[in-house]
Amino acid sequence: AAGVIQSPRHLIKEKRETATLKCYPIPRHDTVYWYQQGPGQDPQFLISFYEKMQSDKGSIPDRFSAQQFSDYHSELNMSSLELGDSALYFCASSSLEPSGISEQFFGPGTRLTVL
Amino acid sequence: KQEVTQIPAALSVPEGENLVLNCSFTDSAIYNLQWFRQDPGKGLTSLLLIQSSQREQTSGRLNASLDKSSGRSTLYIAASQPGDSATYLCAVRRISWGKLQFGAGTQVVVTP
Repeated sequence: AAGVIQSPRHLIKEKRETATLKCYPIPRHDTVYWYQQGPGQDPQFLISFYEKMQSDKGSIPDRFSAQQFSDYHSELNMSSLELGDSALYFCASSSLEPSGISEQFFGPGTRLTVL
Repeated sequence: KQEVTQIPAALSVPEGENLVLNCSFTDSAIYNLQWFRQDPGKGLTSLLLIQSSQREQTSGRLNASLDKSSGRSTLYIAASQPGDSATYLCAVRRISWGKLQFGAGTQVVVTP
């Protein structure tokens, strides 16, 4: 079965640079979520999109922006990178099934290292 | 504001023992709860999903219970194996399209 795809898997940037992370949800999933997991921490919700519209916003810095495109893939843009942005970034997708159950499926993550 | 707590933070057991991992949440108005496994530096593997209307879910050696009124879920892993060594996270969701809120996880080591 198709899973959530994230690219790149690893990214190394210098401070003050810009990074773009991409997420391709499971086909027919209409909601995409972004999470950030710092070293030794639990995943923290950043932002989500439903049908290409922002549906919820968490602790996402103003330096970060995200969008969902017409093909449902999503991109997280991160500018003026700081050392503290080094983390694993997960994308997840979901949809509400006819059974009434909605489960979030996670991608493998993008490991961002800021030097 | 929902708070999710996992106790203990770390657990070490000899191979063959049963594992009991606890998760508590402060707001009982949840849509569902998921248990995940995470190996060091790796992604999140979903283990079990329990809807708010359910009391338990089972998959192989894994069993998860949910007591929504008391804000608790327990993950049981029977006959632990060294390959079960990982961090186990629980996460709750308030609405069907909503975000997951994670606990800090329980780091499990199963010694041969």
